[in-house]
Amino acid sequence: EAQVTQNPRYLITVTGKKLTVTCSQNMNHEYMSWYRQDPGLGLRQIYYSMNVEVTDKGDVPEGYKVSRKEKRNFPLILESPSPNQTSLYFCASSPLLKSNEQFFGPGTRLTVL
Amino acid sequence: QQPVQSPQAVILREGEDAVINCSSSKALYSVHWYRQKHGEAPVFLMILLKGGEQKGHDKISASFNEKKQQSSLYLTASQLSYSGTYFCGTEYSGGYQKVTFGTGTKLQVIP
Repeated sequence: EAQVTQNPRYLITVTGKKLTVTCSQNMNHEYMSWYRQDPGLGLRQIYYSMNVEVTDKGDVPEGYKVSRKEKRNFPLILESPSPNQTSLYFCASSPLLKSNEQFFGPGTRLTVL
Repeated sequence: QQPVQSPQAVILREGEDAVINCSSSKALYSVHWYRQKHGEAPVFLMILLKGGEQKGHDKISASFNEKKQQSSLYLTASQLSYSGTYFCGTEYSGGYQKVTFGTGTKLQVIP
């Protein structure tokens, strides 16, 4: 089954404790992206990647890191989480062609205390 | 810059129609529409490309007005299953593959 998976689905942590949210897709997509969703603000892009070892900042990259060492995986790293990073996070993937459908993962709800 | 969606929320009775608008201040290459049900991931509905093409998806259709940099999503004869939050995403002319999403329109269909 074609899908995007994220782990963990729920996470409660404390300020400053490094964490990684994993994202994996099995559709051989070149393009992968991370979004955060906050009430009233919609989906905002954090980082995206057009292929292995090619990443770039989205609209709200501060406080986040990503890496793309394999085509299928695109982890999101919060090196020193803060309470303002409490949010619902989605990973998405699509073929690297302009104007393509994005396939979203199930989401990760993160709470930073 | 995020596109602007209107209305922010709407309540419909089954069978009624609704229109959701999405506008941008920048020249658009394409508009994407997604629906998100509560607690779930956004799901793709359709993409409209520059050229004013109107597309359909069952009883949900959309249009794209290049001159006004606007897109509208039309939901006709609404069903309970249409409830959710609708997001438009915009790609800008001359840009790389990057979709910027609006803040969403919450649609509730009641019996």
